[in-house]
Amino acid sequence: EAQVTQNPRYLITVTGKKLTVTCSQNMNHEYMSWYRQDPGLGLRQIYYSMNVEVTDKGDVPEGYKVSRKEKRNFPLILESPSPNQTSLYFCASSQQGADAFFGQGTRLTVV
Amino acid sequence: DQQVKQNSPSLSVQEGRISILNCDYTNSMFDYFLWYKKYPAEGPTFLISISSIKDKNEDGRFTVFLNKSAKHLSLHIVPSQPGDSAVYFCAALGFPFSGNTPLVFGKGTRLSVIA
Repeated sequence: EAQVTQNPRYLITVTGKKLTVTCSQNMNHEYMSWYRQDPGLGLRQIYYSMNVEVTDKGDVPEGYKVSRKEKRNFPLILESPSPNQTSLYFCASSQQGADAFFGQGTRLTVV
Repeated sequence: DQQVKQNSPSLSVQEGRISILNCDYTNSMFDYFLWYKKYPAEGPTFLISISSIKDKNEDGRFTVFLNKSAKHLSLHIVPSQPGDSAVYFCAALGFPFSGNTPLVFGKGTRLSVIA
């Protein structure tokens, strides 16, 4: 079954404690991206990756890092999380950037 | 500056009637448009798309209309069903996809279909 898998689904952490949200896809897609969804703001892209070792900033990259060492994985790293990064995060993958498959989401709370 | 706008945060429609969700865009470089549907606690799922070379695309109960001159698109759901109740996101992309023009989403419209 075609899937984008994110972990964890829920996470509560404290300010400044580094965390990683993993994302894995089994469709051999080249394009992967991370979004955050906030009330009244819709979905905003954080980072995207065109292929292995190729990443670029989206609309709201501040405070985030990503890596793409393998085609299937695209982890999102928060080196020093802050309360304004409390949000619902989605990973997505696609072959050409459109018609993306999304993960189930990760609800992050930073206290 | 928001490039993709969904000006109606919510919409209520009676079961069996038509639901019309609207979306406006400002960037004339966009030429591929998508609609996603999102249920609570789930990721968005792709619903229907349209290329700028068309003005209409139909898939079952869902039809998307594109008016390039007005930079406006709309999603029609006929007949609306209670299971259609969800948040609908409009998204736009420049094509051919270069990676420098990421998918841009609107803020979403929450559709409630009342039985």
